[in-house]
Amino acid sequence: NAGVTQTPKFRILKIGQSMTLQCAQDMNHNYMYWYRQDPGMGLKLIYYSVGAGITDKGEVPNGYNVSRSTTEDFPLRLELAAPSQTSVYFCASSYTGTGVLNGYTFGSGTRLTVV
Amino acid sequence: AQTVTQSQPEMSVQEAETVTLSCTYDTSESDYYLFWYKQPPSRQMILVIRQEAYKQQNATENRFSVNFQKAAKSFSLKISDSQLGDAAMYFCAYRGSDTGNQFYFGTGTSLTVIP
Repeated sequence: NAGVTQTPKFRILKIGQSMTLQCAQDMNHNYMYWYRQDPGMGLKLIYYSVGAGITDKGEVPNGYNVSRSTTEDFPLRLELAAPSQTSVYFCASSYTGTGVLNGYTFGSGTRLTVV
Repeated sequence: AQTVTQSQPEMSVQEAETVTLSCTYDTSESDYYLFWYKQPPSRQMILVIRQEAYKQQNATENRFSVNFQKAAKSFSLKISDSQLGDAAMYFCAYRGSDTGNQFYFGTGTSLTVIP
């Protein structure tokens, strides 16, 4: 089925470890996003990309890195994991075009715990 | 940055009854879009309904409708004939025309449906 695929669904990291959260979409969407969801805090934008080769910071980019080498993939890298990065991470994508009302298509999320 | 406020952390409704979830937002833009997303326990974010700010007519999707008051910057969601499957966290989201397609989310309202 078409959509946004996130892996893994769950992960436990030790402080100082690194990992990459994978995100892939097969809808040929040009925009992709990474959000984190903390309890009672809604969703906060970490990074976003408007197309292959282009990325930009959102509200809470510290401690993360992204790349967008293809239209389909938008991995999120955590370097030196910290307990403050314990959260649920959502990848989303959307298509932007003139006159198009764009909602997001979300992945199913990754629950990350840093201990 | 735009802010989206959901002042009701929790709401409950009897099955088959009607409930209204509140959302207000702050913006200086004249052209924007508003959304309601549903997040059931599965964690998947599902688009419920959307509204273009330039349209005066309130959006309706089956049992879901909105009351959009542009001057008051209010965007409430009404769920009619509530069903057990409506139990979820509901997020209000704002997307401006000049904000790079970024969405701003409220902190969510947890809806319980009582049988």
